[in-house]
Amino acid sequence: SAVISQKPSRDICQRGTSLTIQCQVDSQVTMMFWYRQQPGQSLTLIATANQGSEATYESGFVIDKFPISRPNLTFSTLTVSNMSPEDSSIYLCSAREGGVGPLHFGNGTRLTVT
Amino acid sequence: LAKTTQPISMDSYEGQEVNITCSHNNIATNDYITWYQQFPSQGPRFIIQGYKTKVTNEVASLFIPADRKSSTLSLPRVSLSDTAVYYCLVGLNTGGFKTIFGAGTRLFVKA
Repeated sequence: SAVISQKPSRDICQRGTSLTIQCQVDSQVTMMFWYRQQPGQSLTLIATANQGSEATYESGFVIDKFPISRPNLTFSTLTVSNMSPEDSSIYLCSAREGGVGPLHFGNGTRLTVT
Repeated sequence: LAKTTQPISMDSYEGQEVNITCSHNNIATNDYITWYQQFPSQGPRFIIQGYKTKVTNEVASLFIPADRKSSTLSLPRVSLSDTAVYYCLVGLNTGGFKTIFGAGTRLFVKA
């Protein structure tokens, strides 16, 4: 199964700055997704990262705040822009390989905004 | 997307069998049922997936009745390391399908 690596694993950032999270998959995958998870809560889907085109965002998430890139079939980035303390959360990258089958997840990026 | 309902939490003791039931009354004909496990500070991990009747792997069994309006994840002889959150998801098992997570069930295994 696909192995997903995220960087950084955690960061503490100041309000108003931006952070880019990288997601690397060890094999080519069809679909990549970004989730957010507040401590003790379930996962919320932010967007689907589409290779070669703009990401598809879920309700409540916009490209200006969470720009996403997916330049190829193994890599994606999520930027959290103009951060506020409300953006403090765990951000998770996931991927589905081979076009079918379950999702695989990285271990997430724990972001704290002060 | 079919909505799922699970117990918020469950307690068990080591060595017991644990059954977590998930309700999905509006499951569609093409939907699959998938369970994930999540430990603290880790991403969710796929456990098992099924469409009907029973599926078993080295980790768990999944029981799905004929009407498919519910499913039960069965964990045999749990250990302390099975303490985690378990998510039941229902949806199409296709590459283009986005996966929406419900609230999950927090399982506490005690010594």
